Amino acid sequence: DTEVTQTPKHLVMGMTNKKSLKCEQHMGHRAMYWYKQKAKKPPELMFVYSYEKLSINESVPSRFSPECPNSSLLNLHLHALQPEDSALYLCASSQVQFSSYNEQFFGPGTRLTVL
Amino acid sequence: DQQVKQNSPSLSVQEGRISILNCDYTNSMFDYFLWYKKYPAEGPTFLISISSIKDKNEDGRFTVFLNKSAKHLSLHIVPSQPGDSAVYFCAATHRAAGGTSYGKLTFGQGTILTVHP
Repeated sequence: DTEVTQTPKHLVMGMTNKKSLKCEQHMGHRAMYWYKQKAKKPPELMFVYSYEKLSINESVPSRFSPECPNSSLLNLHLHALQPEDSALYLCASSQVQFSSYNEQFFGPGTRLTVL
Repeated sequence: DQQVKQNSPSLSVQEGRISILNCDYTNSMFDYFLWYKKYPAEGPTFLISISSIKDKNEDGRFTVFLNKSAKHLSLHIVPSQPGDSAVYFCAATHRAAGGTSYGKLTFGQGTILTVHP
């Protein structure tokens, strides 16, 4: 199984809503990532979890709250988002974080629209 | 400061011909380079990678060349097929201080490849 799955595929939320994005992988990878991608731009790293612990936070606003309940699951909790947060949110995983030679596998993404 | 650059926003190629996608980088600490392919509404898919200790890596129709002195890499697709039409991202990663890799990918802006039948 070389797949990273993400749910939901699409999400529309108001600025006062609370919602969560979910990501799952069963490749035994111990590093998991959240990226944000705006139209016609490259993916931008948001968070990295290594062995279920938050390793990197790229100065992301606190309205985005990541969570890694176990080695296979990664969540992104959303609260009080702004319309400019509308984007494709990508989850990725790799065998480990601290290695030059391991590729990141991406999920299909969640298309988020904030009204 | 864009450390990985793909200067061609788009490339159009005839089926069966060679596609050459280019990528330049400025950070001399980068030591591993990857190419990803992305279809609309899907996540990026890993294609091929190359370590800085090599200058060429081949996998089927895909070959990546690395010129460290020029800080330039290229992806060759031969022969190109209509199914190769997608956005191609070049990415690089580097070692943090102390010799261990950071694990962070820095992406280029992407090149839209269109292969015409």
